Amino acid sequence: GENVEQHPSTLSVQEGDSAVIKCTYSDSASNYFPWYKQELGKRPQLIIDIRSNVGEKKDQRIAVTLNKTAKHFSLHITETQPEDSAVYFCAAMGKLTFGTGTRLTIIP
Amino acid sequence: EAGVAQSPRYKIIEKRQSVAFWCNPISGHATLYWYQQILGQGPKLLIQFQNNGVVDDSQLPKDRFSAERLKGVDSTLKIQPAKLEDSAVYLCASSLGGGTGGVHAYEQYFGPGTRLTVT
Repeated sequence: GENVEQHPSTLSVQEGDSAVIKCTYSDSASNYFPWYKQELGKRPQLIIDIRSNVGEKKDQRIAVTLNKTAKHFSLHITETQPEDSAVYFCAAMGKLTFGTGTRLTIIP
Repeated sequence: EAGVAQSPRYKIIEKRQSVAFWCNPISGHATLYWYQQILGQGPKLLIQFQNNGVVDDSQLPKDRFSAERLKGVDSTLKIQPAKLEDSAVYLCASSLGGGTGGVHAYEQYFGPGTRLTVT
């Protein structure tokens, strides 16, 4: 089955700096890669996604890149703000599997 | 539009008891998912429905968990009997699904979840 690894498990960055979270997947048949943000005690919310026929997608301060050959994809958040503090999950769909999460803390 | 609805929001039961959770997806969403999220972990897919048919239930512990979506709309997830390790948040999500969903077919929207505590 699919195996998704996510790194780092925790990440602290100064407000205004960039944050990068990386995921690798094992199933070459996976073709959809969403990222979710989950604040404490709340539901996961889709923040950006990418399909396997695209290498990069950007939405304001958030971008996702995909390298199908290496089977890894990354989330990039620029100009971080305190409200970006949350747990972020990547996922890979062929057989939908989530990563283990990254706790991002923005230091004011 | 209304989001994914779930009930109850919280449930405390003793081990070996049974419990049921209910989910109503976003109107028009063909695909419905049930996830188990243990504290500090990512959501784990338990079962995926496309309309009223099961697409994937490979990670559903079928000796104690069951789920149905009889009319292709709302769904129930049942645990009988519950074990201590079933303590988790049970999340329901829905998406438009393949076919007519287009580029938004796989975008999942989650409900608020049911926090289950088994004592």
